Amino acid sequence: ILNVEQSPQSLHVQEGDSTNFTCSFPSSNFYALHWYRWETAKSPEALFVMTLNGDEKKKGRISATLNTKEGYSYLYIKGSQPEDSATYLCASSEGNFGNEKLTFGTGTRLTIIP
Amino acid sequence: DSGVTQTPKHLITATGQRVTLRCSPRSGDLSVYWYQQSLDQGLQFLIQYYNGEERAKGNILERFSAQQFPDLHSELNLSSLELGDSALYFCASSPWTGKTVVGYTFGSGTRLTVV
Repeated sequence: ILNVEQSPQSLHVQEGDSTNFTCSFPSSNFYALHWYRWETAKSPEALFVMTLNGDEKKKGRISATLNTKEGYSYLYIKGSQPEDSATYLCASSEGNFGNEKLTFGTGTRLTIIP
Repeated sequence: DSGVTQTPKHLITATGQRVTLRCSPRSGDLSVYWYQQSLDQGLQFLIQYYNGEERAKGNILERFSAQQFPDLHSELNLSSLELGDSALYFCASSPWTGKTVVGYTFGSGTRLTVV
């Protein structure tokens, strides 16, 4: 069973500032790393899936990087907006195809202060 | 609407009872996953089905069982319910074919309260 850890647990950021948070996972038997955004009263929504060491993905103001050798991923948000307030989950797959048995971290709860 | 439909949205039942949670995956998705989120815990993987067959199993209790039907909808059966089974149960689907890795599409969840 994987142990996926996220830090910090919560974060308050002023609107317009940039921020980042971390997901760490066991580097052995790694196949894929997923990031999800979970807004209150909604369901988690997929942001990125990364599989290769050095992968970088970007979606608007949000980007993510992956280091599989040391077992971590960073999520960056540039110029935070109130609509970025959500819990950000990462999950690592120990399955053969990257979509099996995702182990989720407990998330980073981001609050943007207007 | 994510395209993954879960019913019911809320369920209140007594200890010892049995309930069935239902999930219809997004159109075209062959894989269905069930997750449990208890208070102050992350999403815990229960079980995965692919095209009607069990594909992977997590820490699913023996009192819990699931299946995926020919029309690809899935049901999670929880029996001999205990207070500790109170949780938010999510279903997710993906078009995983073993060739590409894509993220899950989650349903809105079923909130189960055992009293």
